[in-house]
Amino acid sequence: DSGVTQTPKHLITATGQRVTLRCSPRSGDLSVYWYQQSLDQGLQFLIQYYNGEERAKGNILERFSAQQFPDLHSELNLSSLELGDSALYFCASSVSGQTYEQYFGPGTRLTVT
Amino acid sequence: GQQVMQIPQYQHVQEGEDFTTYCNSSTTLSNIQWYKQRPGGHPVFLIQLVKSGEVKKQKRLTFQFGEAKKNSSLHITATQTTDVGTYFCAGFNFNKFYFGSGTKLNVKP
Repeated sequence: DSGVTQTPKHLITATGQRVTLRCSPRSGDLSVYWYQQSLDQGLQFLIQYYNGEERAKGNILERFSAQQFPDLHSELNLSSLELGDSALYFCASSVSGQTYEQYFGPGTRLTVT
Repeated sequence: GQQVMQIPQYQHVQEGEDFTTYCNSSTTLSNIQWYKQRPGGHPVFLIQLVKSGEVKKQKRLTFQFGEAKKNSSLHITATQTTDVGTYFCAGFNFNKFYFGSGTKLNVKP
């Protein structure tokens, strides 16, 4: 158990819908990262927040957005969903925003039908 | 743009054989991390390399960071069935992590 929690575990929704994925970082970690992993693929970095502020942006679509709240939990919002958005979404946290190891949550599996 | 390539994509070995995965970046990296993801699991941090030419060992695992800080390798000696999984490298540069596509290791008993 990494100490990072993600909810929900599974999510099935239809194209065009909007969903919110939630992540609670490890106690004491200030940085949260979001990744997308399609079937048997690598990890695509989406976005990073550090202490409530956006720190780095990766290959995040305009239909996707995220935020980190004062209690440091983070939410990833995915809208106008398409079939290709079906994937495993991981959240990770680290102590700082720099070169510290990341602790990954169990992931949320999103299926868009 | 920044790219981190990882080879091979798949590797099947007999238990007891050695295994190596290679990671190459198109640009110089500040540091590189290695992660292991078991089937159905989430990535788990293995190690971080920061210095040019750095070599670190963890039991049967040896990690290297190239002199130019653009490539890295993970070598497993005498693989065991518990080594099964996908190994990812993650290069850090300009505040972003760039994950390699991973090497999926299968170990036959």
